[in-house]
Amino acid sequence: SAVISQKPSRDICQRGTSLTIQCQVDSQVTMMFWYRQQPGQSLTLIATANQGSEATYESGFVIDKFPISRPNLTFSTLTVSNMSPEDSSIYLCSAETGSTDTQYFGPGTRLTVL
Amino acid sequence: DQQVKQNSPSLSVQEGRISILNCDYTNSMFDYFLWYKKYPAEGPTFLISISSIKDKNEDGRFTVFLNKSAKHLSLHIVPSQPGDSAVYFCAASDGRMGNEKLTFGTGTRLTIIP
Repeated sequence: SAVISQKPSRDICQRGTSLTIQCQVDSQVTMMFWYRQQPGQSLTLIATANQGSEATYESGFVIDKFPISRPNLTFSTLTVSNMSPEDSSIYLCSAETGSTDTQYFGPGTRLTVL
Repeated sequence: DQQVKQNSPSLSVQEGRISILNCDYTNSMFDYFLWYKKYPAEGPTFLISISSIKDKNEDGRFTVFLNKSAKHLSLHIVPSQPGDSAVYFCAASDGRMGNEKLTFGTGTRLTIIP
């Protein structure tokens, strides 16, 4: 398995600002992902963070709104840009090791946009 | 289009009895299924998984059953303990062409009654 940490754990932000969320894995992993869980909803995949290349975004999510970086095999960031109250959610990163198809999740970042 | 469905939003079970959580899927290309447990303010914790080549996988108190013809899986927890009270998500992936992204169900809130 992999141990995943995220920073910050929570934040309250003003409309129109941006927030960058960091995700650190304790070992090198092949795949990293970013999910969103809106209040009362399930987890929805935002994008796959590719090491050394542009992230792969799911339908409904765009790079201008959710830019993602993955400079190495243990670290990734997600930026929520030009935030609005509709972006209030829990944002989670996950990682998949090469040995299994199982994804392990970080603790999440609870974002509130006023 | 909800490809993974958990039709019971909540379930209450007496401590010591069996908890059965159900999940249905529509995408016949899904070949790997997982169950996660989520406490409030924490990320999902991986519980157990099953590949489509099996119909049962057991790990301690947790057993997952897969019925491919019915596109149905279930998680059995026996005996149920108060610490099992959480939201349970089933998830599925389509392993074709390295597509490891997970599609999640909407979750079932399990409450174990002492």
